[in-house]
Amino acid sequence: NAGVMQNPRHLVRRRGQEARLRCSPMKGHSHVYWYRQLPEEGLKFMVYLQKENIIDESGMPKERFSAEFPKEGPSILRIQQVVRGDSAAYFCASSPGSLLIWKTQYFGPGTRLLVL
Amino acid sequence: KNEVEQSPQNLTAQEGEFITINCSYSVGISALHWLQQHPGGGIVSLFMLSSGKKKHGRLIATINIQEKHSSLHITASHPRDSAVYICAVGANAGGTSYGKLTFGQGTILTVHP
Repeated sequence: NAGVMQNPRHLVRRRGQEARLRCSPMKGHSHVYWYRQLPEEGLKFMVYLQKENIIDESGMPKERFSAEFPKEGPSILRIQQVVRGDSAAYFCASSPGSLLIWKTQYFGPGTRLLVL
Repeated sequence: KNEVEQSPQNLTAQEGEFITINCSYSVGISALHWLQQHPGGGIVSLFMLSSGKKKHGRLIATINIQEKHSSLHITASHPRDSAVYICAVGANAGGTSYGKLTFGQGTILTVHP
């Protein structure tokens, strides 16, 4: 059973370009979370999605950032017109859909984004 | 004041020592997670706790809900335990707080041989 997969693992973009980060949850998991870790800072929640729905995007910057989790395929975190301050590690985590509120979140290896 | 505070921020130990990392939080929670992150690496979930104590190998995690405090213990520490240990809490369930974790700043542990 493969774990959470993220690609690319490293991404270099120039200012103004778009960055697309992909996350494939564990098999059978329908909940996806995106977190950001800025250099020398702790992890911060960005967005929580279930299949085809955004449940909580309270941690997402209002502009340039968007996320989706389509019925088929991976979850995508999209950053338009990247700036140097977007350089960070972006982690995705997944958990199974369940009537129980809390399940362990399984983290992916992260995507390290560097904006030149 | 952060919602999740960890101490110490940095911890250096000799191989074989017993290690304790503390986490205090200020919000009502449904669960607390302990995570491990190696430099430049991914994040591994070590424990998820809602009460009591859990043990996995040389790792022990405890939580006191009334005092809003958790500890992570490592017995017989080893250099391969060197990593950043992160405490994260999930707020009481209710609407959009589902799944949202709030993280401590992490404790950098270095174990020397």
